[in-house]
Amino acid sequence: GESVGLHLPTLSVQEGDNSIINCAYSNSASDYFIWYKQESGKGPQFIIDIRSNMDKRQGQRVTVLLNKTVKHLSLQIAATQPGDSAVYFCAEKEAGANNLFFGTGTRLTVIP
Amino acid sequence: KAGVTQTPRYLIKTRGQQVTLSCSPISGHRSVSWYQQTPGQGLQFLFEYFSETQRNKGNFPGRFSGRQFSNSRSEMNVSTLELGDSALYLCASSLIGTSGTDTQYFGPGTRLTVL
Repeated sequence: GESVGLHLPTLSVQEGDNSIINCAYSNSASDYFIWYKQESGKGPQFIIDIRSNMDKRQGQRVTVLLNKTVKHLSLQIAATQPGDSAVYFCAEKEAGANNLFFGTGTRLTVIP
Repeated sequence: KAGVTQTPRYLIKTRGQQVTLSCSPISGHRSVSWYQQTPGQGLQFLFEYFSETQRNKGNFPGRFSGRQFSNSRSEMNVSTLELGDSALYLCASSLIGTSGTDTQYFGPGTRLTVL
């Protein structure tokens, strides 16, 4: 079956530094990848997505990189702020399907 | 545009009881998916509804069921509750669901505690 795993369960960064959160996936048929942010007591919030025909996509302070050769996904957050403290999940899905497979999550803590 | 809403937000039940959770998708969204989130298993897909039909189902026992109404609102039901059913139940909606970049937007979840 599919599996999506995160390399690091926790990550602490200083405010203002850049953060990098990594994710490995195993399903070669996955063609769409999403990063979600979940704060305590809330549902996952969409951050950024990328299709398999791309290797990089940028948003506001966030960049997602996709390396299909090694089945690796990363989320880069520039100038990390205290409000970025949350659990970050990567998720994947196959073309034509709508069920997301989630990674285990990484807890990002920003130190003021 | 209002986001995905879920009711109730918190629920306490005892073993053997049944429970019904409700989800209202974003206006115009026709696909509704349900997920279970626990510390041990993480986020797991339960099922997806589109046009009042279950389109996809995860690996959960038959005690977990759902339905979707003509206005795209959805309910999920868990019968004969077990302690292990304690979890955050999340609903997500998307426009159609099968398009390559059709993003799923999540509600705040219903926290179910089974005693």
